[in-house]
Amino acid sequence: ILNVEQSPQSLHVQEGDSTNFTCSFPSSNFYALHWYRWETAKSPEALFVMTLNGDEKKKGRISATLNTKEGYSYLYIKGSQPEDSATYLCASSRSNDYKLSFGAGTTVTVRA
Amino acid sequence: GAGVSQSPSNKVTEKGKDVELRCDPISGHTALYWYRQSLGQGLEFLIYFQGNSAPDKSGLPSDRFSAERTGGSVSTLTIQRTQQEDSAVYLCASSLTQGGWEGYTFGSGTRLTVV
Repeated sequence: ILNVEQSPQSLHVQEGDSTNFTCSFPSSNFYALHWYRWETAKSPEALFVMTLNGDEKKKGRISATLNTKEGYSYLYIKGSQPEDSATYLCASSRSNDYKLSFGAGTTVTVRA
Repeated sequence: GAGVSQSPSNKVTEKGKDVELRCDPISGHTALYWYRQSLGQGLEFLIYFQGNSAPDKSGLPSDRFSAERTGGSVSTLTIQRTQQEDSAVYLCASSLTQGGWEGYTFGSGTRLTVV
């Protein structure tokens, strides 16, 4: 199991503001980095799967970057809306072991 | 089916009883995973099935836990002689490929409470 860390643990954002948070993971034998959004009373939903150093992915107002050499990824939310309130999980896997190890998540609360 | 289905959605059991949790993955998905989330904790890996290969059981916390996947489809997670520390949300996920390139699809989970 990999040591995947996320920070901050939680954050509160005013509607309309932008925010970002971090995921760090072991860089050795890196295979893939996943981001999921987990809303209360729902299942975790895949946002991004990233594999290449320098990769950037975007889905609407949410985007993510990846640095595999130093072992970190950022998730950005632009112009936060109340529906963005959720726990955002990142997870990493190694090339010789495909299962994901998850971080504890960053819980985002968007205030109207 | 259209998504990953788990049953039951909630289970309350007495300490010492055995429980079975069921996961029905997306048809055609070769990989199936079990995770759990205890109160205040992150997602903890339990077990991973890939095709006809031997499962990766490295995350099972004790020999009271076992899982099988029949016919490459439905999986059952069994917990024997349940303890209070087994209380958690048990999540099943499946993916089309071994590497999960497209991401995992999660079920809605089984909330297990051991009293």
